[in-house]
Amino acid sequence: AQKVTQAQTEISVVEKEDVTLDCVYETRDTTYYLFWYKQPPSGELVFLIRRNSFDEQNEISGRYSWNFQKSTSSFNFTITASQVVDSAVYFCALRGFYGSGNTGKLIFGQGTTLQVKP
Amino acid sequence: DGGITQSPKYLFRKEGQNVTLSCEQNLNHDAMYWYRQDPGQGLRLIYYSQIVNDFQKGDIAEGYSVSREKKESFPLTVTSAQKNPTAFYLCASSIRTGEAFFGQGTRLTVV
Repeated sequence: AQKVTQAQTEISVVEKEDVTLDCVYETRDTTYYLFWYKQPPSGELVFLIRRNSFDEQNEISGRYSWNFQKSTSSFNFTITASQVVDSAVYFCALRGFYGSGNTGKLIFGQGTTLQVKP
Repeated sequence: DGGITQSPKYLFRKEGQNVTLSCEQNLNHDAMYWYRQDPGQGLRLIYYSQIVNDFQKGDIAEGYSVSREKKESFPLTVTSAQKNPTAFYLCASSIRTGEAFFGQGTRLTVV
């Protein structure tokens, strides 16, 4: 069975603070894909990053960075020097491999609401 | 422009009615998905399809039905069997190994 857990329901920080959003996943697939999405108040989901299970290299993109650790089944997301515009709901997602009897199901965590105060 | 189009943006349903939400993509993606989002909640998978003429139930398929007769289209019908259909519905598409792209969503309200 697949599962994504985002234990932090809501986080509130003051602008310029660093913040880390946690994501823990469960899957029996040996090949899988992890994603982070941002959902602003408008409702549409915005893709942020994809990580394949065979690539544990961490990634940095501007103020955003992601830490993928297969040993702990975690894929955490850090925003450095947060800004008010970062306020949104952030979702972690997992897709299993499609093929050889696997369905490639794409599931999401419950989401973390981030509020950045000026 | 390539993308995913959901319509309508707002939909009102009377008790006992079936309604159909449209989702069209011109990205040439094989996979398409339907999710339901309730206030303050995450995205729950209703149905998904990896190929034309084939689809699988997600975690909350009861009271919903879909079809995938064309690669571009994956309509979702909310039937009268769905007792609490008021929610925000999101459609997505992807290649099988890539990220999913989402439509702008349909907000369904029972009146």
